[in-house]
Amino acid sequence: DAGVIQSPRHEVTEMGQEVTLRCKPISGHDYLFWYRQTMMRGLELLIYFNNNVPIDDSGMPEDRFSAKMPNASFSTLKIQPSEPRDSAVYFCASSLGIGGPREKLFFGSGTQLSVL
Amino acid sequence: KQEVTQIPAALSVPEGENLVLNCSFTDSAIYNLQWFRQDPGKGLTSLLLIQSSQREQTSGRLNASLDKSSGRSTLYIAASQPGDSATYLCALNYGGSQGNLIFGKGTKLSVKP
Repeated sequence: DAGVIQSPRHEVTEMGQEVTLRCKPISGHDYLFWYRQTMMRGLELLIYFNNNVPIDDSGMPEDRFSAKMPNASFSTLKIQPSEPRDSAVYFCASSLGIGGPREKLFFGSGTQLSVL
Repeated sequence: KQEVTQIPAALSVPEGENLVLNCSFTDSAIYNLQWFRQDPGKGLTSLLLIQSSQREQTSGRLNASLDKSSGRSTLYIAASQPGDSATYLCALNYGGSQGNLIFGKGTKLSVKP
């Protein structure tokens, strides 16, 4: 398996523009997570899905952020409109499920977002 | 408030040395704990996962221990190598849902040849 695949690797955009980040989880994994990493705040969970259904989106900063998972092999995180304070590395991760080793998280390589 | 602390923030050691990375937490009612490795510009790689009922887990030169009563976990790296240079993060799972992972900010390890 190729692992968790994220695109793009880098995104540079101007304030006010729409940004869409993409993620393909590992096949067979029932859970998908979106995290954001900054120097100041470390890793923060934004939202996670179980079997394509959003379970907890309490970490989404505000209404400018939205996430979808239309099928088991694809998820998007959208920011509209983007602001400079959204600049961070956004990670997607997936896991098999609940219980013991199934909870091991597999991360993608991340998307480095810079909003100018 | 559930807090995870990793001290020191950075550590430099000569190659071959055995070392211990620390992770402390305020709430001991954890479900499990994971240690991750992050290389520059890369995602996180899970190294070891310890269930709350376990005391330790081992993988190769790595050994992770868990002491809930003292609110502490350690990652022991034996015979360190330059390839071990990375940032190591611990993450605590509170409750039966993966969504409750709380991450420390990590310890940046540098192993000098």
